[in-house]
Amino acid sequence: NAGVTQTPKFRVLKTGQSMTLLCAQDMNHEYMYWYRQDPGMGLRLIHYSVGEGTTAKGEVPDGYNVSRLKKQNFLLGLESAAPSQTSVYFCASSYNVMSRDGDTQYFGPGTRLTVL
Amino acid sequence: AQTVTQSQPEMSVQEAETVTLSCTYDTSESDYYLFWYKQPPSRQMILVIRQEAYKQQNATENRFSVNFQKAAKSFSLKISDSQLGDAAMYFCAYKVLGGATNKLIFGTGTLLAVQP
Repeated sequence: NAGVTQTPKFRVLKTGQSMTLLCAQDMNHEYMYWYRQDPGMGLRLIHYSVGEGTTAKGEVPDGYNVSRLKKQNFLLGLESAAPSQTSVYFCASSYNVMSRDGDTQYFGPGTRLTVL
Repeated sequence: AQTVTQSQPEMSVQEAETVTLSCTYDTSESDYYLFWYKQPPSRQMILVIRQEAYKQQNATENRFSVNFQKAAKSFSLKISDSQLGDAAMYFCAYKVLGGATNKLIFGTGTLLAVQP
């Protein structure tokens, strides 16, 4: 049981390049999330998904796109990277939120992205 | 708007001693969850403890306990018998029950150092 995994762990991009971050979970969770973490700030929600084939915007969605083609995978894309997107990116997943026991989010190890 | 405030950017504790990390939040909701997450140098976000707002009893997990004061909107974390492995960034987080996004709102974190 790997939990939540993220690929890659580190990446350096040049301004204008594109890339995709992959998040995978093996816990059969319905909900998945992408957060970014910047110095001096807590995690902020970029996009989220409430189930396979669905996505929605979070707090800071600009410059990012996501897809949830399979229940276990949640992809975060940067079409044209900018230095402001230098950050640590975390993926998380959780069960159906309507269950009182199902709201806890489990996080991946993070991806450190640097945009030059 | 819901906000989470951690007023202690850094804290230090001697090994085997007790330390309390502070967290306050602002919400107009009556039913919600509160969490403490630990982020060691590995960057992994690890759930330490959670508290349901409808429960008056304070949550405990081994050496970790909380002091939940709903009227004061305060949610502090007490770490007893501190160990070197407790050194990490600690984030307080809030989530409204039944919210469509299951969105977590994070504080800015408290960096805890444990002195041998």
